[in-house]
Amino acid sequence: DTGVSQDPRHKITKRGQNVTFRCDPISEHNRLYWYRQTLGQGPEFLTYFQNEAQLEKSRLLSDRFSAERPKGSFSTLEIQRTEQGDSAMYLCALSGGTDSPLHFGNGTRLTVT
Amino acid sequence: QKEVEQNSGPLSVPEGAIASLNCTYSDRGSQSFFWYRQYSGKSPELIMFIYSNGDKEDGRFTAQLNKASQYVSLLIRDSQPSDSATYLCAVKGDNFNKFYFGSGTKLNVKP
Repeated sequence: DTGVSQDPRHKITKRGQNVTFRCDPISEHNRLYWYRQTLGQGPEFLTYFQNEAQLEKSRLLSDRFSAERPKGSFSTLEIQRTEQGDSAMYLCALSGGTDSPLHFGNGTRLTVT
Repeated sequence: QKEVEQNSGPLSVPEGAIASLNCTYSDRGSQSFFWYRQYSGKSPELIMFIYSNGDKEDGRFTAQLNKASQYVSLLIRDSQPSDSATYLCAVKGDNFNKFYFGSGTKLNVKP
């Protein structure tokens, strides 16, 4: 149990469609991260929340991507007008504090056809 | 230049041998260092973290950190076939917000 639940586990969508992923922390952690991982690469930082505040966004996060964390609990990541290059594993992770490690959820695997 | 560099492998070792995985990082201000294991199709799982120069041991795993050389390593003693996975090195940046990951080293432990 990683303390993070992600939904859905897999998503197949057609190019141009919008998709939304959800991340539910099971335990309380004020820091929530979204990462993206493609085959053969390490996870790439997308964005980071401290409580409900989105404090940092990667340049990878184009204007088609938006993330929210209302009330500092669950988070959603939406991709509009999906492209084939968006196909990847989207990982939500929690961290408890300054020196704390990341704990990942099971991820959502997105395939854009 | 990538923030965190790892040899992609694959690194093949026989069962019972010591596997040595290496990682270098570019940000001299980095403070925290982590090793994750990732099985195919699964998400990364934390194995160890290290903050100070020197060695840190946890069971069959030893993490080694040399901040002067900007080098982190992971030793796996008595390697088992179940250790076969991709090992990701992660470094937390100076701003304490972002974690930077290497591309991972694929380890194969042969029975």
